[in-house]
Amino acid sequence: EAGVTQFPSHSVIEKGQTVTLRCDPISGHDNLYWYRRVMGKEIKFLLHFVKESKQDESGMPNNRFLAERTGGTYSTLKVQPAELEDSGVYFCASSRADSTGELFFGEGSRLTVL
Amino acid sequence: AQSVTQLDSQVPVFEEAPVELRCNYSSSVSVYLFWYVQYPNQGLQLLLKYLSGSTLVKGINGFEAEFNKSQTSFHLRKPSVHISDTAEYFCAVTLNTGFQKLVFGTGTRLLVSP
Repeated sequence: EAGVTQFPSHSVIEKGQTVTLRCDPISGHDNLYWYRRVMGKEIKFLLHFVKESKQDESGMPNNRFLAERTGGTYSTLKVQPAELEDSGVYFCASSRADSTGELFFGEGSRLTVL
Repeated sequence: AQSVTQLDSQVPVFEEAPVELRCNYSSSVSVYLFWYVQYPNQGLQLLLKYLSGSTLVKGINGFEAEFNKSQTSFHLRKPSVHISDTAEYFCAVTLNTGFQKLVFGTGTRLLVSP
């Protein structure tokens, strides 16, 4: 069974540019989460999809961030326009509908904004 | 709101020595507790979790943790560490009303040397 995959693993862009991160969850996992870790700080929740619906997007920093999960499969997280403070590692995680809290994480996408 | 404190950012130990990684949480309601581990160049994976029942929980790779409600702690222990335990360890909580977003601590880097 393939794990959670994220692309790209590392992206370097200039301030003001746009970046789109992609996450492919484990097949059959209804729950999909985005988290972000900035500068060695805590891993912070961004949002939670259940299938294609946004269950909780309380962690999204501002309207420069847009997450989608069309068809309830893979998800994208777009940052437009990127700012310096958006630099960090973006983690995607997925879980089954009946999960008792175990999330399966991808390796993360490291974003560097110059 | 919940919060998690991991006071030790880095813990150096020698191989075969015991180790304890500390985690304290704050919440006005009951929570579920987790420890995740991130090995170099990998995603986070679940080490162990406390949902209910026995306060001593055992996880993978010989790790265990004890839930202490009065001290709001969930410290992680291993009686004898290996070089391969070198990784970053994250404590996390979620509300016990359902498996929603995880709130993570800042992580503790365990460095095991020969």
